[in-house]
Formats: sequence, structure tokens, C-alpha cells
Amino acid sequence: GAGVSQSPSNKVTEKGKDVELRCDPISGHTALYWYRQRLGQGLEFLIYFQGNSAPDKSGLPSDRFSAERTGESVSTLTIQRTQQEDSAVYLCASSLPPRTYEQYFGPGTRLTVT
Amino acid sequence: KDQVFQPSTVASSEGAVVEIFCNHSVSNAYNFFWYLHFPGCAPRLLVKGSKPSQQGRYNMTYERFSSSLLILQVREADAAVYYCAFPCAWGSQGNLIFGKGTKLSVKP
Repeated sequence: GAGVSQSPSNKVTEKGKDVELRCDPISGHTALYWYRQRLGQGLEFLIYFQGNSAPDKSGLPSDRFSAERTGESVSTLTIQRTQQEDSAVYLCASSLPPRTYEQYFGPGTRLTVT
Repeated sequence: KDQVFQPSTVASSEGAVVEIFCNHSVSNAYNFFWYLHFPGCAPRLLVKGSKPSQQGRYNMTYERFSSSLLILQVREADAAVYYCAFPCAWGSQGNLIFGKGTKLSVKP
């Protein structure tokens, strides 16, 4: 079946602009995660959704970052007033409880802030 | 604050057995997960568990605070980044804490 998809695959934006990154999880997966991977760094947890609610937003680096999820499907990660340090690959993953930790990842969105 | 530790790079030669080590400092973690990531592609789960396990050429060892991923008969195509991860709290709703990844290079 279809895996996790993300769009766009690449995004170049100017500093100060807002960007929206989209994630389509595997159908039926109620849990959804956003991660960030900066150049040369590991995966950094940003936010987790169970259904529509986000019980863990602890990883969001600043109030410029927000995310929402519609139903138990699409999620959007929004970065306002982008900064150069926001340049990274943003990865989305989904899973189906009770096998919550078996996360299926999308290919990521490469964001470059110039 | 780093909680998961794994080497940044490991080098090997084709046909060898490669061991990638990981340890953490979280007292109530009870499982290890190993993910494989080819840059530009989606990371995928290789092996997981709270006891030693095997999945094809991938073996996982397990102890309370550490785990090793062993890749048997390593190939050039295995060159990628390998992440270890574990749940961030007992009864957690699903968050994994990832290490920074180990980049494996394989000489022919």
C-alpha cells in the first residue's frame, strides 16, 4: 500500500517568509510525528499527534513553529518568519497503536532558507 | 542534553561483520529500535526489541542500557546512516528518542 508522503520534496524560501510543509500519513495510522534533521545532525523530534490532538509539542524549537492535523490524516507543519537556521530536512512519520514505536517515515522535505 | 550515544562513523570492508554500538542514559527505557537511513529516502525500521533478535543479515544485541547492531557480510550497498532509538518514557505514547546516527562506510 501507499507509504507516508510529504510535499514539497524541496523548498527554497527567503528569510522571513512563512512556509507550510505537508505530510500524508499511511491510511489508518492514528499517530503522526514530525522530525527535523539539520545537516550533519541526527533526527530531532518536533511534535507528535495522536488523532487530532498533539499531546507532545515539547520539541518545537520556537513559537514560530506550529503544526496541525486534520482528522486522522493530513498534517501541516508551518514555520513563520523563517530563519537560516531553519534549513533542514523535515521528516514525517506515522504509526498505528499499539505498535506505536514502529514508525514509517516519509522521504522528507528539504527546506533551504536563503 | 544528549541521552543516546552512538559513534558518528564506522568503516568496514565488504564481507566483514560490522558492529554499531549504542547506549543511553535513560533509566526507564525498555526497548531498542534500529533504523536505516539512506539520505534522500525515508528512514526505515530494521530491528527492534527488548531482547537479542535477528532480521536477515541484521542482528541486534540488547542489554539494559545498550544495544549493538551487527550487520553480517556487509556490502557496499549497506553504506548509509544507522540510527538507534528508544521510547522516551515508560508508557510513552509513542515518542522515540533517536541517536545522532552512525554513518557506515564500506570499502570494496
